[in-house]
Amino acid sequence: GAVVSQHPSRVICKSGTSVKIECRSLDFQATTMFWYRQFPKQSLMLMATSNEGSKATYEQGVEKDKFLINHASLTLSTLTVTSAHPEDSSFYICSARDTGLGTETQYFGPGTRLLVL
Amino acid sequence: QKEVEQNSGPLSVPEGAIASLNCTYSDRGSQSFFWYRQYSGKSPELIMSIYSNGDKEDGRFTAQLNKASQYVSLLIRDSQPSDSATYLCAVNIRTGGFKTIFGAGTRLFVKA
Repeated sequence: GAVVSQHPSRVICKSGTSVKIECRSLDFQATTMFWYRQFPKQSLMLMATSNEGSKATYEQGVEKDKFLINHASLTLSTLTVTSAHPEDSSFYICSARDTGLGTETQYFGPGTRLLVL
Repeated sequence: QKEVEQNSGPLSVPEGAIASLNCTYSDRGSQSFFWYRQYSGKSPELIMSIYSNGDKEDGRFTAQLNKASQYVSLLIRDSQPSDSATYLCAVNIRTGGFKTIFGAGTRLFVKA
């Protein structure tokens, strides 16, 4: 299947700092990427849909000014958690949609574990 | 009603048995259906995709789709302890663009 990478895999930061997470599709072009958050023992929660060359679409309850998304190229989307606080500690996972075969399949990155102290 | 519903489990089966995971969805217009496996602390991994009514087999995995009943299932034959994970059902729905809705997942334990 298609390969999606994320960087960093794990980050620890102090409260009030900003953290940037990168998501790359390595062997296909992705006009659409998705950002999810998952708290321990809970299901995936879609945060936003990242569209190449346009503004991201945020899910209800997700603060767009706190979670900045940039999708500047067909292979890279970034999520910046601004002024992070301990309650933002979570597992952040991106996915990319491969429409090359017309199947609209999503492939997930390995995730980024964020711990805010 | 949730858009994609799964029994949270845990579902416990002995090694070598068939594990049956079920999922129902609410959007009758859905055309694409997926099963993902997620190990604890890891991101989801695509196992199967299915688009047409009937069965689709891949190794020990068989996905079954019944659009009339809005039901999709995953069978795992000869279950192994390494199959122990959370299995997520996902359905693509059209909302202007498209969105993938995930079920909450079913935890599967395969006992050695």
